[in-house]
Parts: sequence; structure tokens; C-alpha cells
Amino acid sequence: DQQVKQNSPSLSVQEGRISILNCDYTNSMFDYFLWYKKYPAEGPTFLISISSIKDKNEDGRFTVFLNKSAKHLSLHIVPSQPGDSAVYFCAASAIEYGGATNKLIFGTGTLLAVQP
Amino acid sequence: DVKVTQSSRYLVKRTGEKVFLECVQDMDHENMFWYRQDPGLGLRLIYFSYDVKMKEKGDIPEGYSVSREKKERFSLILESASTNQTSMYLCASSLTATYEQYFGPGTRLTVT
Repeated sequence: DQQVKQNSPSLSVQEGRISILNCDYTNSMFDYFLWYKKYPAEGPTFLISISSIKDKNEDGRFTVFLNKSAKHLSLHIVPSQPGDSAVYFCAASAIEYGGATNKLIFGTGTLLAVQP
Repeated sequence: DVKVTQSSRYLVKRTGEKVFLECVQDMDHENMFWYRQDPGLGLRLIYFSYDVKMKEKGDIPEGYSVSREKKERFSLILESASTNQTSMYLCASSLTATYEQYFGPGTRLTVT
């Protein structure tokens, strides 16, 4: 049962345009969401996050939007650069999963290719 | 900066061998995690630990065990490696008070 879903395995965008990566979740108890970026042969690196009490968080070229009623979040990258080409994972967490530890539930990832 | 290191980047083992993957973090994080990454399946949690000598099963613990004797070190053990354990293994750590996990570079394990 995939609680965090990234339905697009891949996305191709022209340099300078907007990249929009989508993520859907099923568990209404999720209260914190994160995006990670992963290059081949490297570990994922944290990119940006958002709490469920917000609907938008911005950090430079990266903005995450959260629509709680639709159980949907998206990552916008503007403008896209060739160096942004990587696999992007969304992840979610909930207090009920945390307990003594904040576990993350990851999506399956979207491969973004930014064409020069 | 948080640094998470893993003992090997690439490893080739034979079926039935016992395999040890080690992970060390240098930021005094309480929590440590082992994931495997497979195409189309994302990151799946194998085991995690929230304190020394404490461990809990993740979503896919079968065929694996872990050890955490010191706060900075978390080991993943494949008792008898099988070909379906060929994968990228990722270690991560975090503070209890935060959600962000910091990952190591990964170990690409091939079992032949």
C-alpha cells in the first residue's frame, strides 16, 4: 500500500522553464512533508520541506505547495537548470509514525531531465 | 555540516555470504536508519534505531539484522546474502526533534 505516490516516473523540461513535480498522499495524519534530490551514485540530499500548517514554502528557485484537501503537494523549480537533473523524492511523516523517532515515508521518485 | 559515511561504495558478494554494511555519523544524532533503493520502488526502510542498542523493524526487515553498539555507528547485516538483496543501500541519521534525515553516499551491493 503506497501511502506516498509520485505518479510520473520521469519529466523532461527545457532549461529556463518551470519544472513541476507532483506528489500525492493518502494518510491524512501526515503533518510534515519533504523533498529530496538524488544524483546517481550519491545519497539523497534534503531540498525543502513544509509543515501541514502552511500551504507554501519558498527557498530560492524552489517552492513547495501543499493542498491538504486534495492530499497533494508539488515542487516548483524556476528557472530550471541542467544541474537540477536528478531523481526527486517526496517524503512524508506523521506523529503517529514518529514516537521516539521521526520516520519518513518516501515516494517512488521522479527523474527530472533539464535539457540545455 | 552533517557527515554520514558508509564503509564501502561498491561491494560484490556471493550467495550465502554474511555481509556487513557499516554507517558512521559525526553529528551526535540519536536516530539512524537503513534503507534500500530499487528502481520503481523508491526508498524502503529496512531497520531504524533511536538509541544505542535500540532497534526497530522497518517495512522490509526480512533477511536483515542490525547492530548499534555506539551512538555514531549503525551496522546492517545480511546473514546469508541472496540475489534479491542486490540493491543500493542507504544509511541516514537525524535528530529526534527534527524530521530531516541526512544520508550517506550509499553502497551498491551486488550478490552473485
